[in-house]
Amino acid sequence: NAGVTQTPKFQVLKTGQSMTLQCAQDMNHEYMSWYRQDPGMGLRLIHYSVGAGITDQGEVPNGYNVSRSTTEDFPLRLLSAAPSQTSVYFCASSYISGRTSYNEQFFGPGTRLTVL
Amino acid sequence: AQTVTQSQPEMSVQEAETVTLSCTYDTSESDYYLFWYKQPPSRQMILVIRQEAYKQQNATENRFSVNFQKAAKSFSLKISDSQLGDAAMYFCAYRGSGNTPLVFGKGTRLSVIA
Repeated sequence: NAGVTQTPKFQVLKTGQSMTLQCAQDMNHEYMSWYRQDPGMGLRLIHYSVGAGITDQGEVPNGYNVSRSTTEDFPLRLLSAAPSQTSVYFCASSYISGRTSYNEQFFGPGTRLTVL
Repeated sequence: AQTVTQSQPEMSVQEAETVTLSCTYDTSESDYYLFWYKQPPSRQMILVIRQEAYKQQNATENRFSVNFQKAAKSFSLKISDSQLGDAAMYFCAYRGSGNTPLVFGKGTRLSVIA
């Protein structure tokens, strides 16, 4: 199993550009989520999904868009990049609560995004 | 909303010594899960240890153990026989029952001194 994969690993954008961060998992996990990590802030939830066709907002959703058309993929779209979106982005996945003990989330390797 | 607080932004420990990282959380739920994640310089998030709230016994994974105090809403991580490879950011995290997201603390940066 590849686990959770993210592409790209690094990206530099100019203000106003759009892009999509890709996330895929091969563990048949229903639950997927996106976090951003900023110094001194921990990881903050952007959006999450409990299955194909179902998404919901997290703590910091503004400026980001998601969709979930398949169980495997959960892309994160930046509609018009801003310097405040400079961050490290993590995708994570897990089974739906109750199917396995502990509800452990598995994380991708992260994407470092810089917006100039 | 649930919150997780790590009151120690930075900690240091001598190699082979023991260190304890603190974590407190706020919740009104009775059924939930607690985690400690390690993030080395590679930035990969690595699960260190986990605890289910209904289990009174503290979890242990080799040199890592927790002190889970449910009434006090405290979940500290003890690292014994510290090694240079333990140097990393450590995040405490909470996940409620149901399909709820993981909530993280702001992290503690641990340095290990040779």
